[in-house]
Amino acid sequence: DVVMTQTPPSLSVAIGQSVSISCKSSQSLVYSDGKTYLHWLLQSPGQSPKLLIYQVSNLGSGVPDRFSGTGSQKDFTLKISRVEAEDLGVYYCVQATHFPPLTFGSGTKLEIK
Amino acid sequence: EVQLVESGGGLVQPGRSLKLSCLASGFTFSNYGMNWIRQAPGKGLEWVASISSSSSYIYYADTVKGRFTISRDNAKNTLYLQMTSLRSEDTALYYCARWGTGRSPDYWGQGVMVTVSS
Repeated sequence: DVVMTQTPPSLSVAIGQSVSISCKSSQSLVYSDGKTYLHWLLQSPGQSPKLLIYQVSNLGSGVPDRFSGTGSQKDFTLKISRVEAEDLGVYYCVQATHFPPLTFGSGTKLEIK
Repeated sequence: EVQLVESGGGLVQPGRSLKLSCLASGFTFSNYGMNWIRQAPGKGLEWVASISSSSSYIYYADTVKGRFTISRDNAKNTLYLQMTSLRSEDTALYYCARWGTGRSPDYWGQGVMVTVSS
């Protein structure tokens, strides 16, 4: 199974700062159709996960453009520009290229200073 | 508005069974694959099972294969997870999630808690 490694495990940022979260996979996430099925989720405290970005760089429904995703092959990054208080929570990357199984990163907890 | 509402959770003894349901609304349920994904207390997300829109394709995590059965009733807009031979390690919050754009789990329910304990 593909292993997804997220770093850092946690980080603390001030409102208005920018932050990046890394997600690395044990195998290339490029599927045979040429697409990359790597997504990002945010689980706010006490809430169910919400889709932020799908297929590396596409914003989910209603997601502000402060969020952006980049990367290719085995190396991906989620960037949050101008962090707001509502951004706190745990961020997960998840791959669907080598499904089954669907595999998740271990999560990055974002705290607000 | 897409809504997924899970039900059927609770406290159950090891070795017993439980059936979860997920009622979908706000979209054409029969057009979408669905997933069950769980989260043990204080832990990360773990995929459990998936089913295609017409039930033609079904997949399970190795940890539940042979014990859990995913199914759906498109006429009732409902997804199910039949869980048997439950173990303490199955204790978790169980979410149903839609297979959406680009093979992403794009909408999630609020989750239902399953506690396996004697």
